[in-house]
Amino acid sequence: GQQVMQIPQYQHVQEGEDFTTYCNSSTTLSNIQWYKQRPGGHPVFLIQLVKSGEVKKQKRLTFQFGEAKKNSSLHITATQTTDVGTYFCAGPRDTGRRALTFGSGTRLQVQP
Amino acid sequence: EAGVAQSPRYKIIEKRQSVAFWCNPISGHATLYWYQQILGQGPKLLIQFQNNGVVDDSQLPKDRFSAERLKGVDSTLKIQPAKLEDSAVYLCASSLVGGSGTGELFFGEGSRLTVL
Repeated sequence: GQQVMQIPQYQHVQEGEDFTTYCNSSTTLSNIQWYKQRPGGHPVFLIQLVKSGEVKKQKRLTFQFGEAKKNSSLHITATQTTDVGTYFCAGPRDTGRRALTFGSGTRLQVQP
Repeated sequence: EAGVAQSPRYKIIEKRQSVAFWCNPISGHATLYWYQQILGQGPKLLIQFQNNGVVDDSQLPKDRFSAERLKGVDSTLKIQPAKLEDSAVYLCASSLVGGSGTGELFFGEGSRLTVL
């Protein structure tokens, strides 16, 4: 079945450093979504990418969808303590199914 | 706008007991999902409803889990009998339409289950 993997599993950075998480799918995706989950909280939608090679920015966050639509990345410039949490990518399940399969997540810890 | 409501927030039971979780989605959201999130992992889909019909329940352990959305609004997820490995947070989410990129998922706070 479809698998969505993320690396790294965990990253600890100093405040002000950059951070990147990578998402890889075993199948081509029609679109990809990114979510953030704060410690003890629930996933919150960040963005959706649809087009091959698409790049979107939200303030210090840059999201990219690969040309083959099988991978994606999230880059945070100059991390802040408010960026702490786990970042998940998610793509539609197998062809014909519409619910999202979530990746394993990357947990970000920011040292002040 | 009210968010996705879930109850209870926490539940502790012994193995082989039963438990039920309730979810009320955002008003007007046709699609409702139940996800299971084990500590340190990403959410795993259990079941997807479109209005009151089941769209995807391929990952629902049907020998012990059941879910319903009788009137196409709120939903109940039941586990009977519970096993130790069912300890997790059960997340309910809703979306305006199908989840394949046509809309974001709005999650509730979740129901944390501990099975002893």
